[in-house]
Amino acid sequence: KAGVTQTPRYLIKTRGQQVTLSCSPISGHRSVSWYQQTPGQGLQFLFEYFSETQRNKGNFPGRFSGRQFSNSRSEMNVSTLELGDSALYLCASSLHGTMEDLYGYTFGSGTRLTVV
Amino acid sequence: GDSVTQMEGPVTLSEEAFLTINCTYTATGYPSLFWYVQYPGEGLQLLLKATKADDKGSNKGFEATYRKETTSFHLEKGSVQVSDSAVYFCALSGWGNKLVFGAGTILRVKS
Repeated sequence: KAGVTQTPRYLIKTRGQQVTLSCSPISGHRSVSWYQQTPGQGLQFLFEYFSETQRNKGNFPGRFSGRQFSNSRSEMNVSTLELGDSALYLCASSLHGTMEDLYGYTFGSGTRLTVV
Repeated sequence: GDSVTQMEGPVTLSEEAFLTINCTYTATGYPSLFWYVQYPGEGLQLLLKATKADDKGSNKGFEATYRKETTSFHLEKGSVQVSDSAVYFCALSGWGNKLVFGAGTILRVKS
């Protein structure tokens, strides 16, 4: 079956702009989580969506937001981009987003965002 | 809060050498523990997991044992190959069913 698809793979934006990243989960998976990966901070949890509702949120400013559609596809948006937002953004999908599902997390290949 | 500490890299080994990557954690409760691997240009892949104390996770020759008394989950492999070159992340299941990751350890295997 198809894996988790993230688009685009690469993105270059200018400071102050906004950006939208997309994640299509594995068919049947209803939970989508987003992580930011940077050399300095490592992998950090951004938020998790289940059935179009945000269930959990990490410690990121309000410039970072997301949503989930009825087909479980998810988007994350970063407004007023800063240089420090340059990172690899990974999404992961699972069936229900429960503890047991952590064993079955599937990550996408990520979107590499560069802010200049 | 929950945290994971893993040994700094890069770790450079010759093919067929023994591998150990240390991982210790701090957590409330009894988290599940994971090792993920990231190959260049790719996302994370689950390598192995353990859900309770003394559990041993294993996959593709890699092993790790959940040690509650030392709060550790060290990754080992008896004989590494060039194809094992990647970044390895230790992680635990944190509050809200999220993963809390260590900083990652780069492994380079020379032929």
